Amino acid sequence: DAGVIQSPRHEVTEMGQEVTLRCKPISGHDYLFWYRQTMMRGLELLIYFNNNVPIDDSGMPEDRFSAKMPNASFSTLKIQPSEPRDSAVYFCASSLRTEYSNQPQHFGDGTRLSIL
Amino acid sequence: KQEVTQIPAALSVPEGENLVLNCSFTDSAIYNLQWFRQDPGKGLTSLLLIQSSQREQTSGRLNASLDKSSGRSTLYIAASQPGDSATYLCVPQYGSGNTGKLIFGQGTTLQVKP
Repeated sequence: DAGVIQSPRHEVTEMGQEVTLRCKPISGHDYLFWYRQTMMRGLELLIYFNNNVPIDDSGMPEDRFSAKMPNASFSTLKIQPSEPRDSAVYFCASSLRTEYSNQPQHFGDGTRLSIL
Repeated sequence: KQEVTQIPAALSVPEGENLVLNCSFTDSAIYNLQWFRQDPGKGLTSLLLIQSSQREQTSGRLNASLDKSSGRSTLYIAASQPGDSATYLCVPQYGSGNTGKLIFGQGTTLQVKP
């Protein structure tokens, strides 16, 4: 089974540029989560979707950040314009809701983003 | 504020040792608690999930215990191996089901020397 697939694995760009991170969740999973990981703040939830609909975006730091999920197999996280303080590892995770809940989230390998 | 503290922050042991990783959380009203493993440059892998009503979970050489009332959990690793080297994260969930909020600690970075 393919896990959560993120692309690119690494992104280096200059401040002010638009950055788009991509995620393909595990087939059949109906929840998708975007996280950011930094040394200072650890892992933080940015936004999550259920059945392609954004449910909670309270973790999105600023209006420069936006996320979409046009279909069940694809999501994007966009930063425009990017700033050096956005440098971090961005993770996507997906999970399946069942009547028993408590299904663990499956994480992708992350995108390491460096804004110069 | 819901916070997670993991002690120690880093640990280096020779192969074969049994070891304990400690976790404390400020808000004891958890829904469940997971232990994750993160390898360098990789995402997180869920190792064990303990329901709030449970005291422990076991998987192979791993055993996780939960004392919800005191806000503590421990991960016990028996007969450690070099392949166990990774960062271990204690992650309580607040709120039910998949929409619950996960709170991540900074983790314990483990190195097991051959």
